Amino acid sequence: QIHLVESGGGLVPPGGSLRLSCAASGFTFRSYGMHWVRQSPGKGLEWISFIRYDGTNTKYADSVKGRFSISRDNSKNTVFLQMNSLRTDDTAVYYCVKEGLGSYINGICPGFDSWGQGSLVTVSS
Amino acid sequence: QSALTQPASLSGSPGQSITISCTGTSSDVGGYNSVSWFQQHPGKAPKLILYDVSYRPSGVSDRFSGSKSANTASLTISGLQAEDEADYYCNSFTSTGSLVVFGGGTTLTVL
Repeated sequence: QIHLVESGGGLVPPGGSLRLSCAASGFTFRSYGMHWVRQSPGKGLEWISFIRYDGTNTKYADSVKGRFSISRDNSKNTVFLQMNSLRTDDTAVYYCVKEGLGSYINGICPGFDSWGQGSLVTVSS
Repeated sequence: QSALTQPASLSGSPGQSITISCTGTSSDVGGYNSVSWFQQHPGKAPKLILYDVSYRPSGVSDRFSGSKSANTASLTISGLQAEDEADYYCNSFTSTGSLVVFGGGTTLTVL
């Protein structure tokens, strides 16, 4: 059974930094691309970042480009999201997501078949 | 504003069928057969219920079906049950800006 467990969320002041981790188990982690998707309180889902299975390609939504950085350690089955220059509108639950069901287009598969439980990040003074 | 447009809310009675639309452009929904649908119950993580427009993951009820015409994808839930009450989101690969775009979500109420 696939498990994705996020950690590292919490309360941070505007302009601060936070690093989220996502520990994966139950599948061959090094074979799958991973994403981060966030959901602001009472709002919808927003895709924010992707990393290729081998870590050689990363992508970001415009809303976080230049401030967030995704990385992975395949030896530890873990994906990370480094968040810098945080703003109040970054307040959200952050989900670690595994891709893998369906077609791949330009190396990306929108069939997000497994989600973590989410980690709440609150940006407030 | 979300890249894909969904109705904010829908309702139906037990046993009925409802359809949720997801409208995009030729750069996303219309250009690729990569639309997925997700179900999210309150306080829970989203769950994949359809991928590649109309394929169901193992374990998902066959009451859920999908289709696509031009720039609009649709999720149909037949034989509505109380447990279907949830938020539903579509997503798609996009060739512009972000790689993946989501719809704004539809809240389904089972009366």
